[in-house]
Amino acid sequence: DIQLTQSPSSMSASLGDRVSLTCQSSQGIGNYLSWYQHKPGKPPKPMIYYATNLADGVPSRFSGSRSGSDYSLTISSLESEDTAIYYCLQYDEYPYTFGAGTKLELK
Amino acid sequence: EIQLQESGPGLVKPSQSLSLTCSVTGYTITSGYDWSWIRKFPGNKMEWMGYISYSGSTNYNPSLKSRISITRDTSKNQFFLQLNSVTTEDTATYYCASWELYFDYWGQGVMVTVSS
Repeated sequence: DIQLTQSPSSMSASLGDRVSLTCQSSQGIGNYLSWYQHKPGKPPKPMIYYATNLADGVPSRFSGSRSGSDYSLTISSLESEDTAIYYCLQYDEYPYTFGAGTKLELK
Repeated sequence: EIQLQESGPGLVKPSQSLSLTCSVTGYTITSGYDWSWIRKFPGNKMEWMGYISYSGSTNYNPSLKSRISITRDTSKNQFFLQLNSVTTEDTATYYCASWELYFDYWGQGVMVTVSS
């Protein structure tokens, strides 16, 4: 199975900060990576697909990028509603696999 | 709008089978999409379990292959998860979700505890 390593496992940041979360793949997956935001008591919400594309209804402060086998989710200016656990998912091959998640909190 | 809703028992005994239903409204499951089951364990690990496609083909996570079955009832616009021989390690919140370019629509999730 393809392993996705997310870093950091948790972080805290202040309102208005620029925040970047990273996901590294154990093998090449092209751009077949998506990001999900998960808040307690709610289902996961898609944020980014195909590494760089914004999912429907996602605010423009979110963006995705790729450098080789490293993928990033960036929030340009952190808002309070962005606190959540963020997961990356690879869908280059089955079984689809998730990273372990990054917990993002407000400082 | 597409809506998904999971249902099923919240408590299952070890060695028994876990059976969940995902009811879909706003879209006919034979029209398109892959229809997946995903679970989130205590401690936050997430696992894709498998899917049934709009045509009825299935694809399972090999880690579960001997225990899992995903089926559907097209007349009720529902699809189902059966997981056999459960252990406490199967305690999780189970979600059904639709896949086109990404997992776009999700149910609210159902928490299932495996305990005697």
